[in-house]
Amino acid sequence: GQQLNQSPQSMFIQEGEDVSMNCTSSSIFNTWLWYKQDPGEGPVLLIALYKAGELTSNGRLTAQFGITRKDSFLNISASIPSDVGIYFCAGLRAGGTSYGKLTFGQGTILTVHP
Amino acid sequence: DTEVTQTPKHLVMGMTNKKSLKCEQHMGHRAMYWYKQKAKKPPELMFVYSYEKLSINESVPSRFSPECPNSSLLNLHLHALQPEDSALYLCASSQYGLAGGSYNEQFFGPGTRLTVL
Repeated sequence: GQQLNQSPQSMFIQEGEDVSMNCTSSSIFNTWLWYKQDPGEGPVLLIALYKAGELTSNGRLTAQFGITRKDSFLNISASIPSDVGIYFCAGLRAGGTSYGKLTFGQGTILTVHP
Repeated sequence: DTEVTQTPKHLVMGMTNKKSLKCEQHMGHRAMYWYKQKAKKPPELMFVYSYEKLSINESVPSRFSPECPNSSLLNLHLHALQPEDSALYLCASSQYGLAGGSYNEQFFGPGTRLTVL
């Protein structure tokens, strides 16, 4: 099935650095979601975006819904060791044959060195 | 209560065994989902129940059999699995049914780590 183009695939950063990752698609989504997954656990919803151009923050996390509705980015400021994990973007369509289904990016594996 | 719970956390089974995975949510959500996830890959959708009716089956082999006894519970019955079925099985729920529109984000449980010997 279709996947979103998520980049980078992996990041190795020092504690305290800022992180940026993004997702792009060839088609429009009505909702963009960002999840974080720790090893052996289920994905946890970090931020949900519902409107084109919307910028939303959750603590040190900031995400934006692209104006074209075909992309989104997630920024993490002042990273800490517990930010380690896999970050997935996901798009949701409100209509069409794939309505209600999440389309996932391939994930960004984040490693934070103390 | 904003949780999706799954039991068991870990399951090891032989290829001739019959077992079941359980999922529960008490958020009043009307859609529930089963996903399969391999290591470092995104979740892959298997089944969707919307208002307690099976709405989507993503061409999953019949050795996986879903069941939705009521609006809060979701089961996945397993029989005659293959070693390649070993994976993390995730349950999720969303507030509205499949046609719920934009405000229908999915919330995931912690998963069941399944190993088929």
